[in-house]
Amino acid sequence: EVQLVESGGGLVQPGGSLRLSCGASGFTFNNYGMNWVRQAPGKGLEWVSYISSSGRRIYDADSVRGRFTISRDNAKNSLYLQMNSLRAEDTALYYCARDADPEMATILNSPNYFDYWGQGTLVTVSS
Amino acid sequence: EIVLTQSPGSLSLSPGERATLSCRASQSISSNFLAWYQQKPGQAPRLLIYAASSRATGIPDRFSGSGSGTDFTLTISRLEPEDFAVYYCQQFVSSPALTFGGGTKVESK
Repeated sequence: EVQLVESGGGLVQPGGSLRLSCGASGFTFNNYGMNWVRQAPGKGLEWVSYISSSGRRIYDADSVRGRFTISRDNAKNSLYLQMNSLRAEDTALYYCARDADPEMATILNSPNYFDYWGQGTLVTVSS
Repeated sequence: EIVLTQSPGSLSLSPGERATLSCRASQSISSNFLAWYQQKPGQAPRLLIYAASSRATGIPDRFSGSGSGTDFTLTISRLEPEDFAVYYCQQFVSSPALTFGGGTKVESK
């Protein structure tokens, strides 16, 4: 059974930093691109970052570029999101999500759609 | 950036009724690059439909997707109590700048 379990969320002051983790199990982690998607309270979904299966290709949304860094450790079946210079508007539930189609990801070299999601970890940026 | 506009914003229906949800793109999208998700309160989104009309694993056949170009539709043929939720469309033709629609909430009348 595919499982994605996020951790590392919490309350942080504006300008602060936080590192999220996502542990993966039930599939061959190094075959799949991975993503972070967030959802502000009561709002819709926003894609944040993508990392290819090998870790060589990374993309970020404009809203987080230069502040957030996605990474992965395939030996540990883990995905990470280092968040710096946090702002109030970064307050959200952060989900890790698996790219559904590894073949398409290889062709596109970018994220596609998401077939498995974790339950999310809540990040609150407030003074 | 491709903007996805979902309508209506909310839909009030009874179990057994048909639900028709719309997703309109600001520019033409290949149907291969359009997906639909369901999200229930307190839960993560669940993939329903990919490539505009292909059901994901384990999704009941009362869910169907259709459309092409700029207009896409998710149809729930007969609403079950567990189908009341928020539904999102997503495009990735402009990947990596992929985007989600704003969602349609299907409520029980």
